[in-house]
Amino acid sequence: DAGVTQSPTHLIKTRGQQVTLRCSPKSGHDTVSWYQQALGQGPQFIFQYYEEEERQRGNFPDRFSGHQFPNYSSELNVNALLLGDSALYLCASSLFEGHSIPYEQYFGPGTRLTVT
Amino acid sequence: AQSVTQLDSQVPVFEEAPVELRCNYSSSVSVYLFWYVQYPNQGLQLLLKYLSGSTLVKGINGFEAEFNKSQTSFHLRKPSVHISDTAEYFCAVIFNNAGNMLTFGGGTRLMVKP
Repeated sequence: DAGVTQSPTHLIKTRGQQVTLRCSPKSGHDTVSWYQQALGQGPQFIFQYYEEEERQRGNFPDRFSGHQFPNYSSELNVNALLLGDSALYLCASSLFEGHSIPYEQYFGPGTRLTVT
Repeated sequence: AQSVTQLDSQVPVFEEAPVELRCNYSSSVSVYLFWYVQYPNQGLQLLLKYLSGSTLVKGINGFEAEFNKSQTSFHLRKPSVHISDTAEYFCAVIFNNAGNMLTFGGGTRLMVKP
């Protein structure tokens, strides 16, 4: 049973460029969340997708956008890259079990983005 | 503002010694509490969680944590550490008014020395 997979593992981009990161959830999961982890810090929530819609969003600018496909996989897009966007981007998948239940999130290995 | 604080950025400890990693949160709403471990170049792995019930929770790899509501704390403990426990540990909280969003502390690097 494959866990959460992310691609690519590493990526180098230039300021002002755009980037797309990809995530495939754990088998049986239908919800995908994205987190940004800057060096030496804890992860910060970007947004969460369920039923192909953005359900919740953290404190990130509109340059960060996403998409969820019918097979539950997801993409994170970042436009107009800044040096400060350099970070490890983590994807987490889970199975939605109702609004009142906190469901366990399984994390992928992450994509290391470096902006030069 | 709702936040999570891990008071120690680094904790050095000798092998087979006990360890406690501290976590405090600030919130007036109910919470769900988690501890994750991150090994180098890997994602996060769930160690344990508190959702309700007994305030002492046991997790994988011999770790346990205790929820103290009055002190708004959720400290992680292990009675005897191994070299393989060397990693970054993150405390995370879901605040009851914040959907299913995990709010993480800044992390504690546990360094186990022989």
